[in-house]
Amino acid sequence: DAGITQSPRHKVTETGTPVTLRCHQTENHRYMYWYRQDPGHGLRLIHYSYGVKDTDKGEVSDGYSVSRSKTEDFLLTLESATSSQTSVYFCAISAGSGYGYTFGSGTRLTVV
Amino acid sequence: GESVGLHLPTLSVQEGDNSIINCAYSNSASDYFIWYKQESGKGPQFIIDIRSNMDKRQGQRVTVLLNKTVKHLSLQIAATQPGDSAVYFCAEYEGGNKLVFGAGTILRVKS
Repeated sequence: DAGITQSPRHKVTETGTPVTLRCHQTENHRYMYWYRQDPGHGLRLIHYSYGVKDTDKGEVSDGYSVSRSKTEDFLLTLESATSSQTSVYFCAISAGSGYGYTFGSGTRLTVV
Repeated sequence: GESVGLHLPTLSVQEGDNSIINCAYSNSASDYFIWYKQESGKGPQFIIDIRSNMDKRQGQRVTVLLNKTVKHLSLQIAATQPGDSAVYFCAEYEGGNKLVFGAGTILRVKS
């Protein structure tokens, strides 16, 4: 998707290992979001950021942390991956309320 | 591709027919609504939006209707094409800068 890139696109990791997913934007948008998508649950917000070093929890934040040291990058870390964190993770960006979100292409994470 | 549609409602339409996808939202204070389309293996893509001071908004082949009285949103797709096959999500701004997404509806277009 234009202006937003997620990496890696696919990852397989072992239970108990830390994992970091990266979201990079070139739109200079203030707001960035991490969602997970699972069958039967739709899109659920994990964490979001409203500026550099300003982050807050979403509805499913347990087991996840985030960091935003510069406008263009928003990192999602699974501190100790569990099988329940196997999911597709989407990053989104927004210029603010009333502008909608632009989503990345997603990262498929499998925890074995 | 990744299956995100397990147990989602499914709408099957014939190519060329019109499609109507419905969504009930929860917060009467929500003032901005968006429809997204998600194709298999891809991220959700913006289709059309509407603000709470409007009842209807039209785009290219798509129309969104908002009924605030019953907190209902619908997406109408005219002359549905095979490329319209996807999962469709409605989303509402509940305040702040966070969108809340509905569970989604699968649209299948039969040729």
